[in-house]
Amino acid sequence: AQSVTQLDSHVSVSEGTPVLLRCNYSSSYSPSLFWYVQHPNKGLQLLLKYTSAATLVKGINGFEAEFKKSETSFHLTKPSAHMSDAAEYFCVVSDPGFQKLVFGTGTRLLVSP
Amino acid sequence: DGGITQSPKYLFRKEGQNVTLSCEQNLNHDAMYWYRQDPGQGLRLIYYSQIVNDFQKGDIAEGYSVSREKKESFPLTVTSAQKNPTAFYLCASSKGQGLSGTEAFFGQGTRLTVV
Repeated sequence: AQSVTQLDSHVSVSEGTPVLLRCNYSSSYSPSLFWYVQHPNKGLQLLLKYTSAATLVKGINGFEAEFKKSETSFHLTKPSAHMSDAAEYFCVVSDPGFQKLVFGTGTRLLVSP
Repeated sequence: DGGITQSPKYLFRKEGQNVTLSCEQNLNHDAMYWYRQDPGQGLRLIYYSQIVNDFQKGDIAEGYSVSREKKESFPLTVTSAQKNPTAFYLCASSKGQGLSGTEAFFGQGTRLTVV
């Protein structure tokens, strides 16, 4: 069965410094992978998705993620954090043939001035 | 604007009562989903539906029920059998039957509190 592990429950950065949110997945098929962002008491917004095309995926708001099959990882990065990036981020996996999304437990990103 | 509308935003329920959470989408999506979110646990799937008049249990379906009489609507009923219903509930939809290569779109959520 597919699963996702987000390695950090909280990540703190200063505004203007790089962001790294780590995600490892387990899947018995070639997976589709997603990163979603959630601001407090809001729904989830898609940041980016990987669907077996280019391994480096660019998303909205300057975020990108690299699919590394050998490491079963899909880490999310951004070169320079902005205060508005403070939110919870979810790494998500969906396999072809499976009809549901499996969520990680989330990483809360804190951005200080 | 196309999207997913959940109502109400906040809901209070007395113990022993059933309550129904509304989810409507105008994206013409085939699939719809209900998730429950608790602090530190991510999102867990309650029920999902790939087509009208059909739905499947997710990982935590006990104490919940759904219907899918129309393509655009997927209401969730939290019954008195649900022992710990206080949570944030999120509805989602996706194009086509299944999530291969396509993403889910989420509503803004309903926060249910048992008083």
